[in-house]
Amino acid sequence: DGGITQSPKYLFRKEGQNVTLSCEQNLNHDAMYWYRQDPGQGLRLIYYSQIVNDFQKGDIAEGYSVSREKKESFPLTVTSAQKNPTAFYLCATSWGATGELFFGEGSRLTVL
Amino acid sequence: GESVGLHLPTLSVQEGDNSIINCAYSNSASDYFIWYKQESGKGPQFIIDIRSNMDKRQGQRVTVLLNKTVKHLSLQIAATQPGDSAVYFCAETASGGSYIPTFGRGTSLIVHP
Repeated sequence: DGGITQSPKYLFRKEGQNVTLSCEQNLNHDAMYWYRQDPGQGLRLIYYSQIVNDFQKGDIAEGYSVSREKKESFPLTVTSAQKNPTAFYLCATSWGATGELFFGEGSRLTVL
Repeated sequence: GESVGLHLPTLSVQEGDNSIINCAYSNSASDYFIWYKQESGKGPQFIIDIRSNMDKRQGQRVTVLLNKTVKHLSLQIAATQPGDSAVYFCAETASGGSYIPTFGRGTSLIVHP
C-alpha cells in the first residue's frame, strides 16, 4: 500500500540523549516535512526538504537535525540541545512545494 | 504571531446539527487553502481545499467558503455526526513558489449524541 510510515509510534528518552525518528514514504513525492505538535497547539514546521540532498530550516529548527539521502526517507534527529523535546512529531509529504500534504500517523516522544 | 488563526478553539454541537468552523488568514499572497481533520493520536487528513479563484467549494457533507476581502475561510459540516469529532485545521499556502503551508491552531469539534 502507498503511504507514509513513521516509527517508532511511541518513544521514551532520557535527558541528554539523542533520538532519531524515522519517516519513509512510497508515494514518490518530492517534498517531505517534519512538524511538531504540542497539546492544544497547531503544527509548527521543523524542517522540510523539496529534493534529495537538500533541506531547509523551518520555524523551530533549533535542536533538531535531518538528512535527505534518499527520496523515500527523511529521518529527524532530536538532539540533546532541544530544550523541550516532549511532543507529537508528524512527518508529511507533498508532490510539490505547495500542494496538499499527506501525513504519517505520528511519533510521540516523551523525555523522562 | 501566526498568519493563520481560528476564532473558536472548541465547538460543541449536537448530532445532526450543522457545524461551522472559522479561520482567518493574513497573507494576501496565499491562494490555496486546505482544511484538515485530525483525530486523536493520528496525523491530519485532507478534507477539502479551495483556490483563491473560487469562493465556495462543496464536498460530501462539507462546504468551504472563502472570503478574500476579509481574509476569512470557513468549513461547514452538514448533519454533524459523532465521527466528525476531531480537531480541524486550516492551512494556507501560495502557488508558484516555495511557500510552505502554514497551519492555524486548530478547532476542536465535539459532537454530542
